[in-house]
Amino acid sequence: NAGVTQTPKFQVLKTGQSMTLQCAQDMNHEYMSWYRQDPGMGLRLIHYSVGAGITDQGEVPNGYNVSRSTTEDFPLRLLSAAPSQTSVYFCASSQDRSFSSGANVLTFGAGSRLTVL
Amino acid sequence: AQSVAQPEDQVNVAEGNPLTVKCTYSVSGNPYLFWYVQYPNRGLQFLLKYITGDNLVKGSYGFEAEFNKSQTSFHLKKPSALVSDSALYFCAVRPANQAGTALIFGKGTTLSVSS
Repeated sequence: NAGVTQTPKFQVLKTGQSMTLQCAQDMNHEYMSWYRQDPGMGLRLIHYSVGAGITDQGEVPNGYNVSRSTTEDFPLRLLSAAPSQTSVYFCASSQDRSFSSGANVLTFGAGSRLTVL
Repeated sequence: AQSVAQPEDQVNVAEGNPLTVKCTYSVSGNPYLFWYVQYPNRGLQFLLKYITGDNLVKGSYGFEAEFNKSQTSFHLKKPSALVSDSALYFCAVRPANQAGTALIFGKGTTLSVSS
């Protein structure tokens, strides 16, 4: 059971380049999300999805796009990278998107460290 | 909108002493509350959660947290700290009974346990 897999682990981009951070989970989780972690800022939510075909914006969505065509995958796209997007990115998923059971414990990937020059 | 505050950037304790990492929250209605831990160069790991019921919640590695509704707090505690507890700790909140609402994290508190 691989859990949440993020690729790549490390990436260096030049300003203006585009790239996609991949996230895949094999737990049949409904809910998936992307966070970025910056020193002194904690984790800030970028985008999330409560199921295939459904996405919504988080706290810091500008400069990022997402899609959810399958339950397993939730890629994060940077269309034109900027130095302000230098960060560590975490993908996280959970089984239950509803609150009736309160089971929404997030499982995190190992992170992707992105540097934009 | 919901928010989480972790007022201390760093907490220093000696091994064997009790530790407390503070968390206060703001959310409309009842909260679901969580603590996560992050070890260096790793993703976050779930420690414990409060959903409903007993205000004292026990979690992994001997940690516990007390939910205080009147003070809107959810402090993380451990009776006797270990050097291996040194890590970055995050408190998180989401409102209960609001489908599709995401989990919001605090800025994190670095716990340093000295031998």
